[in-house]
Amino acid sequence: DAGITQSPRHKVTETGTPVTLRCHQTENHRYMYWYRQDPGHGLRLIHYSYGVKDTDKGEVSDGYSVSRSKTEDFLLTLESATSSQTSVYFCAITPSGGAGETQYFGPGTRLLVL
Amino acid sequence: GENVEQHPSTLSVQEGDSAVIKCTYSDSASNYFPWYKQELGKGPQLIIDIRSNVGEKKDQRIAVTLNKTAKHFSLHITETQPEDSAVYFCAASHNTGNQFYFGTGTSLTVIP
Repeated sequence: DAGITQSPRHKVTETGTPVTLRCHQTENHRYMYWYRQDPGHGLRLIHYSYGVKDTDKGEVSDGYSVSRSKTEDFLLTLESATSSQTSVYFCAITPSGGAGETQYFGPGTRLLVL
Repeated sequence: GENVEQHPSTLSVQEGDSAVIKCTYSDSASNYFPWYKQELGKGPQLIIDIRSNVGEKKDQRIAVTLNKTAKHFSLHITETQPEDSAVYFCAASHNTGNQFYFGTGTSLTVIP
């Protein structure tokens, strides 16, 4: 998994509660990404980061926020979880730059919002 | 933005036969096209990629072809084996952008 860890790997939560997912990398790569994966939709970009405190939105960013205070950690927060945010969340990195370069994925976090 | 379409959504082949998965893209600026294999409960893993200055690339039983004029690219798996059973995703991006755009996936089943 290219030195990427995600935590937790599984989480069950209730509607309206805040949830934070963590992505950790060991190689100090600049670019990091958060995706969600749902049946029939493939992988959709939520947010990405191109450096410490440098982040931008993807195509499905509503209801999500991110933070990157250290190169190695990229956090995804659901401020008030909803059932529509039940999904599998993947973190990814591109060691050699941004888009247009090889991307590697973490093992995923399975989130269930009841 | 870019739109990537992938077909078929499911594919079953007999062991030893070939499998072909096709993707189309809409943005002519896209110049990098990776393919990923995802096994159950795991993250996607890169299996092969191609850049727009190349028409074909092979790696053992796997090959990818790119037709820039028609804006489509395909994954070819020859001599399929049961361990090739997985979900395969195509993607497109360009090095002047910051995002990857993924197809919706193809579930490949290789029947022993």
